[in-house]
Amino acid sequence: SQQGEEDPQALSIQEGENATMNCSYKTSINNLQWYRQNSGRGLVHLILIRSNEREKHSGRLRVTLDTSKKSSSLLITASRAADTASYFCATGTSGTYKYIFGTGTRLKVLA
Amino acid sequence: DADVTQTPRNRITKTGKRIMLECSQTKGHDRMYWYRQDPGLGLRLIYYSFDVKDINKGEISDGYSVSRQAQAKFSLSLESAIPNQTALYFCATSDSRGYTYEQYFGPGTRLTVT
Repeated sequence: SQQGEEDPQALSIQEGENATMNCSYKTSINNLQWYRQNSGRGLVHLILIRSNEREKHSGRLRVTLDTSKKSSSLLITASRAADTASYFCATGTSGTYKYIFGTGTRLKVLA
Repeated sequence: DADVTQTPRNRITKTGKRIMLECSQTKGHDRMYWYRQDPGLGLRLIYYSFDVKDINKGEISDGYSVSRQAQAKFSLSLESAIPNQTALYFCATSDSRGYTYEQYFGPGTRLTVT
């Protein structure tokens, strides 16, 4: 069973717009990570947020975490065509180093 | 990521055949993972290994086996391949030192079972 589910499943925006995708999960976590996957290729780590953090920034990325709602959001500001990819959240639980991935959001940025 | 390599990159095999997928890493990481990816289902964990003598089943280990030949090598075997094992398979590594939790993925192996 999937721990995380992303919403929306697919998103299409114009270059320069912001993209927001959400991740919901089911159990208590130690950390939540976001990964990007270009078509058919390996995943690349984007950002990690720990359970005691509420917001984190990295370049054009902003991640928020609401542990009371068991949800996280990833905001990509000023999107570019190169941001076109699938984005996955992955949750890690305390005491383990295994992660459960969500189903992903497919983002398409139109030039 | 060239630090994590997978062979083969593509493989077509027949039902009932035994097949091995190999993963090597030069990152010096102690933890290694095997995932499969199916359309619409994200990544699912097959097996993971925290060191050479520590191997654990993931959520979908049935029909698969693994071998951690060295810290740098982690192989996934399908003893008798079946069509529903057609998928994209990824190897990943992480480092228990520093508590960064980040995983580094290989380029994937696209497996088709006919």
